[in-house]
Amino acid sequence: DAGVIQSPRHEVTEMGQEVTLRCKPISGHNSLFWYRQTMMRGLELLIYFNNNVPIDDSGMPEDRFSAKMPNASFSTLKIQPSEPRDSAVYFCASSRGQGGTGELFFGEGSRLTVL
Amino acid sequence: GENVEQHPSTLSVQEGDSAVIKCTYSDSASNYFPWYKQELGKRPQLIIDIRSNVGEKKDQRIAVTLNKTAKHFSLHITETQPEDSAVYFCAASRDDKIIFGKGTRLHILP
Repeated sequence: DAGVIQSPRHEVTEMGQEVTLRCKPISGHNSLFWYRQTMMRGLELLIYFNNNVPIDDSGMPEDRFSAKMPNASFSTLKIQPSEPRDSAVYFCASSRGQGGTGELFFGEGSRLTVL
Repeated sequence: GENVEQHPSTLSVQEGDSAVIKCTYSDSASNYFPWYKQELGKRPQLIIDIRSNVGEKKDQRIAVTLNKTAKHFSLHITETQPEDSAVYFCAASRDDKIIFGKGTRLHILP
């Protein structure tokens, strides 16, 4: 398996623009997580899905952020409108879910810069 | 919800010495405690984990200890080597939700 695949790897955009980050989890994994990493706040859990259903979105900072998982092999994280404080590395991770080892497999991350 | 505190934020040790990183958690229902290592510019990767029915686990030069009563757990790295330089994250989990500490940047000095 190729691992968790994220795109784009880098995104530079201007304030107010819409940003869409994409993730393909490892085949057979039932849980998918979106994390945001900054120097100040570390790795923050934004939202996670189990069997394509959002289970906990309490970490989503505000209504500008939304996430979807239309099927088992694809998820998106959307920011609209984007702001400079959204600049961070966004990681997607997947795991086998309950019944598995619990190990998270991270993608390479999407580095977002909002000017 | 769960809150994980991690200390220190930065740690420098001489090559060959030991390094210890400590974490506390708030949710007594948490039952899974993994540690991840993130090298510069790379993704976090699991290095060791421990479940709440175990007090200590060791894998070569790394070991984790868990004190459920006090709600704290620690990572110990012995005989540190240059390749141990990285950011280390502790985490606590109940069900599938995994919450990370803010990380410890470990520098191994020559």
